[in-house]
Amino acid sequence: AQSVAQPEDQVNVAEGNPLTVKCTYSVSGNPYLFWYVQYPNRGLQFLLKYITGDNLVKGSYGFEAEFNKSQTSFHLKKPSALVSDSALYFCAVSRNTGGFKTIFGAGTRLFVKA
Amino acid sequence: DAGVIQSPRHEVTEMGQEVTLRCKPISGHNSLFWYRQTMMRGLELLIYFNNNVPIDDSGMPEDRFSAKMPNASFSTLKIQPSEPRDSAVYFCASSLASTSGRNEQFFGPGTRLTVL
Repeated sequence: AQSVAQPEDQVNVAEGNPLTVKCTYSVSGNPYLFWYVQYPNRGLQFLLKYITGDNLVKGSYGFEAEFNKSQTSFHLKKPSALVSDSALYFCAVSRNTGGFKTIFGAGTRLFVKA
Repeated sequence: DAGVIQSPRHEVTEMGQEVTLRCKPISGHNSLFWYRQTMMRGLELLIYFNNNVPIDDSGMPEDRFSAKMPNASFSTLKIQPSEPRDSAVYFCASSLASTSGRNEQFFGPGTRLTVL
């Protein structure tokens, strides 16, 4: 069965500092991994995904994520946080052995202080 | 493209009433998903369709919930009768289907349902 864990309910970081939002996954076969962001009173918005190839994936708004197969992790990173990055972030996984189902993590709330 | 369109954006109803939520996916997308989001349970997948056919409805909480997709451009989620514990934000999402799940989903703005 597929599962996603986001071990931190909340991450606090000062503006200008690097940020990391953690995600680990469990899936049989090779995973497809996603990050989404949700701003208040909005739907989820796609940020980036890992399908295959380079383990470092770059996405929207300066975000990137690193796929680590040995640690089954897909942490979201940004070199310099902005106050406007404050939002709820979801990691998600699907598998490439058939089926359309994507499993979402519980979400991590990011607070960036000015 | 207008993105995924959901209506209504807000719905307040009384316990026992029927509620119908509507979704128009992005043109050309052939997978459609219904989710429910609450503080307690997070984001839950209720049901998804591929080419208008329901593929997995294991997330539908009980028989009071039903979903249809009569054509590629419209889907409904119905709750009858509604109960206060159904209060949540309901999201519709669409994507280009593949056999591998490699495509991202595009979410609508959600319908905030309050059942009194």
